[in-house]
Amino acid sequence: EAAVTQSPRSKVAVTGGKVTLSCHQTNNHDYMYWYRQDTGHGLRLIHYSYVADSTEKGDIPDGYKASRPSQENFSLILELASLSQTAVYFCASSEVGQGETLYFGSGTRLTVL
Amino acid sequence: TQTVSQSDAHVTVFEGDSVELRCNYSYGGSIYLSWYIQHHGRGLQFLLKYYSGNPVVQGVNGFEAEFSKSDSSFHLRKASVHWSDSAVYFCAVTNNNAGAKLTFGGGTRLTVRP
Repeated sequence: EAAVTQSPRSKVAVTGGKVTLSCHQTNNHDYMYWYRQDTGHGLRLIHYSYVADSTEKGDIPDGYKASRPSQENFSLILELASLSQTAVYFCASSEVGQGETLYFGSGTRLTVL
Repeated sequence: TQTVSQSDAHVTVFEGDSVELRCNYSYGGSIYLSWYIQHHGRGLQFLLKYYSGNPVVQGVNGFEAEFSKSDSSFHLRKASVHWSDSAVYFCAVTNNNAGAKLTFGGGTRLTVRP
């Protein structure tokens, strides 16, 4: 059974609308991450979190907010969705001291029209 | 700033062939290197990692990778590929084990023909 679950699997949003992507992990990991993947490219880190109720900015945080209400849950929020945010979004988790070993969800394909 | 370069965007081989997927990095300090595989429409899955010790590390499904400090490389190899190995492979580097700033290369799409 999947240890990192993302919802929804896909979403179509309108420009200027609010989008929330959710992630739930059952790995009991402290660290969680949100990555963005554009077609034909690698992954870029948006936000991450070491502990519940705390988030950190990654390499491309502009236009995104994150929320970590509990160890298991980590959300990515697009307050005003834009066309340039069309991408596949991946959530991941890792153990303390194992930052090179990430466990990924299956991704959310977001299309902004 | 750490960077990861995967020079081959696409590699095509036949089933049973050997393959090497190249990864070069730039970073001056202690680093952790890893490889991930992404099958179509799926999330990334961890294959193997290196931090120190034997420069050749073994992963799942017959994959191995060799670290070279002099070449700043961490190439992935498999002696005999199967059609199910067709996927996109990502090399990644992080400069600490605190869980942040894992930087990925652009990926190499491996196609294995029957």
